[in-house]
Amino acid sequence: GQQLNQSPQSMFIQEGEDVSMNCTSSSIFNTWLWYKQDPGEGPVLLIALYKAGELTSNGRLTAQFGTTRKDSFLNISASIPSDVGIYFCAGAPINAGGTSYGKLTFGQGTILTVHP
Amino acid sequence: GAVVSQHPSRVICKSGTSVKIECRSLDFQATTMFWYRQFPKQSLMLMATSNEGSKATYEQGVEKDKFLINHASLTLSTLTVTSAHPEDSSFYICSASRLGSYNEQFFGPGTRLTVL
Repeated sequence: GQQLNQSPQSMFIQEGEDVSMNCTSSSIFNTWLWYKQDPGEGPVLLIALYKAGELTSNGRLTAQFGTTRKDSFLNISASIPSDVGIYFCAGAPINAGGTSYGKLTFGQGTILTVHP
Repeated sequence: GAVVSQHPSRVICKSGTSVKIECRSLDFQATTMFWYRQFPKQSLMLMATSNEGSKATYEQGVEKDKFLINHASLTLSTLTVTSAHPEDSSFYICSASRLGSYNEQFFGPGTRLTVL
C-alpha cells in the first residue's frame, strides 16, 4: 500500500523561528492535507490542497502541493509556543479508476517543540 | 462548521465487557465516517470506513466481530469494542467527511479506552 514519509520526526526550535516539514510518497496523491494534533485531542485540519503546484496559506502557515503530486511541505513562520504539537500530513491516493474514495494515508508525524 | 463530537471522552472498563463509543457530526451530514486507532506517539491507524446504511469496510487485520460499527444515520456512527481486553486499550478517534468536501476529514476529540 501507499506510504508517506514525513520528516523531520521531531523539531526543537526557539520561539520566533520558522519551521519547515515535508512529506513524500512513492505514488501520486489526489489531495494533500495537513493536520495538527494536541496531546489527548483529535487532529485539527490546518490546510487542504487539491491541485499540483497549489500554494495555500492559513495565517502563519503555508503549504504546497508538489508539482509531481508525490510531495507536500508545510511551513510555519515566526513560531509561537502554542504551535507545539504533532503535525501530520495526509494524502488521498488515486485508485485505478482515477478517483479517490476519501481514505487517507497519514505520515508518521512531526513532533514540534517550541522553546520560549 | 464541520464539528465532530465523540462520547465518552474516556472510559475505563473491566476485561470482558463491551464498550460503545459514539461519533456525531454536529453541524453537517457525514457521507462517510472513519474509525482510527492511535498508540502513543504514533500515527493514526485506520480501522474501518463506514457509510450510512451499509456495512462498514474493515482494514486488513481488524476483526469486524471485535470492533462492531454501526452507521445508523448521516450524523451518527458507533464503534463497539466487544469483550474488551487490556490490549484493546488505546486512543480511538473518529472522523467524518461531508458531501462535497473532497477528501477532507474532520476529526472528533478522541476516546481514551483503558481496559483493566
